[in-house]
Amino acid sequence: LAKTTQPISMDSYEGQEVNITCSHNNIATNDYITWYQQFPSQGPRFIIQGYKTKVTNEVASLFIPADRKSSTLSLPRVSLSDTAVYYCLVGVNTDKLIFGTGTRLQVFP
Amino acid sequence: GAGVSQSPSNKVTEKGKDVELRCDPISGHTALYWYRQSLGQGLEFLIYFQGNSAPDKSGLPSDRFSAERTGGSVSTLTIQRTQQEDSAVYLCASSFYLETDTQYFGPGTRLTVL
Repeated sequence: LAKTTQPISMDSYEGQEVNITCSHNNIATNDYITWYQQFPSQGPRFIIQGYKTKVTNEVASLFIPADRKSSTLSLPRVSLSDTAVYYCLVGVNTDKLIFGTGTRLQVFP
Repeated sequence: GAGVSQSPSNKVTEKGKDVELRCDPISGHTALYWYRQSLGQGLEFLIYFQGNSAPDKSGLPSDRFSAERTGGSVSTLTIQRTQQEDSAVYLCASSFYLETDTQYFGPGTRLTVL
């Protein structure tokens, strides 16, 4: 079971870039890394997924070093609407069902 | 359907009563998951279905919890003899296959046990 460790909370200001790092020291060869975003009173929403190096979509970028023991979710130029909890998941099959407590991002004006 | 739907959105019940929570997954999704989220906490995995079968029931908190899925679609989570500690938001998600990491979540059912 790939255990993940994330900061409990982070603060930022509008317009700044936010980087949230997740540690997953015992990641397995077949494991993908997936990030979800959850707003209050809503279910989590898929943001991005990667296996190695860098992945970018319209919402975020995901940086994964060569050893894959960590990953960094990068949110460019955050706005107030990016205030949410961000979860890092690592694994395949039922391993990926462990969400943990996530990182609570608060964006200030 | 457009997304995962759950009903009811809110349920208030008295301690000791049974409740049924329903989840309608996205059409064509073979995998379905149930989670529980207490106030301010992360998601707690309860059970998943691949088709109509649930190979892993170890996440269910007690034998008062049960779930079924029929026709590879709708799922119901039943909590018997509810307790106050069962109060939480119950989230359902679905995905095309279990091996696919992208889960699509419903809005949840907020259960309050008085």
